[in-house]
Amino acid sequence: RKEVEQDPGPFNVPEGATVAFNCTYSNSASQSFFWYRQDCRKEPKLLMSVYSSGNEDGRFTAQLNRASQYISLLIRDSKLSDSATYLCVIETGANNLFFGTGTRLTVIP
Amino acid sequence: GAVVSQHPSWVICKSGTSVKIECRSLDFQATTMFWYRQFPKQSLMLMATSNEGSKATYEQGVEKDKFLINHASLTLSTLTVTSAHPEDSSFYICSARIRPISYNEQFFGPGTRLTVL
Repeated sequence: RKEVEQDPGPFNVPEGATVAFNCTYSNSASQSFFWYRQDCRKEPKLLMSVYSSGNEDGRFTAQLNRASQYISLLIRDSKLSDSATYLCVIETGANNLFFGTGTRLTVIP
Repeated sequence: GAVVSQHPSWVICKSGTSVKIECRSLDFQATTMFWYRQFPKQSLMLMATSNEGSKATYEQGVEKDKFLINHASLTLSTLTVTSAHPEDSSFYICSARIRPISYNEQFFGPGTRLTVL
């Protein structure tokens, strides 16, 4: 079983839509959780960390469910600039990061 | 914010050539840097953890004699792909973490796209 599994995508949504991605992880001892954004042929960049109580940053909301071992990312009022690949990243130890394969989002005018 | 640079950004070489990729932390010291590889439509896979002043730690399945890592200073780590072959063609990305370790964000370099003919 993979350490991290994400929605296969791709997601094609109109501008203004709300879209949600899920990501499951297999290691119950996972300590930290992140969503990264990766544009085509670019390096990943941290979008937001995911905290146990859930957290929000503008139009982005991240949630963690430890019991079911998944994290989610909700994007409200999608913008064209949100088009990218969203990577779920799980940390199991000090330096052990596991990346999901990513979910491709395309926001359509 | 912290910046990590990589050089070169892309390289095309013949099979059998060795290719060196540099990863630099520009405004912070990084005692630990990480090297990832990403094949098309796949996730980033950690290849090795580069520790300043000591030997790198390689992930299972990554040949240490083929992928030579040198972390000679607190701002520079190099990855050398020795005798590259077409199957080594990939996107190589380095990252670094700012100390202290409690700050979790990893900063990624812009990546190096290697194409082996």
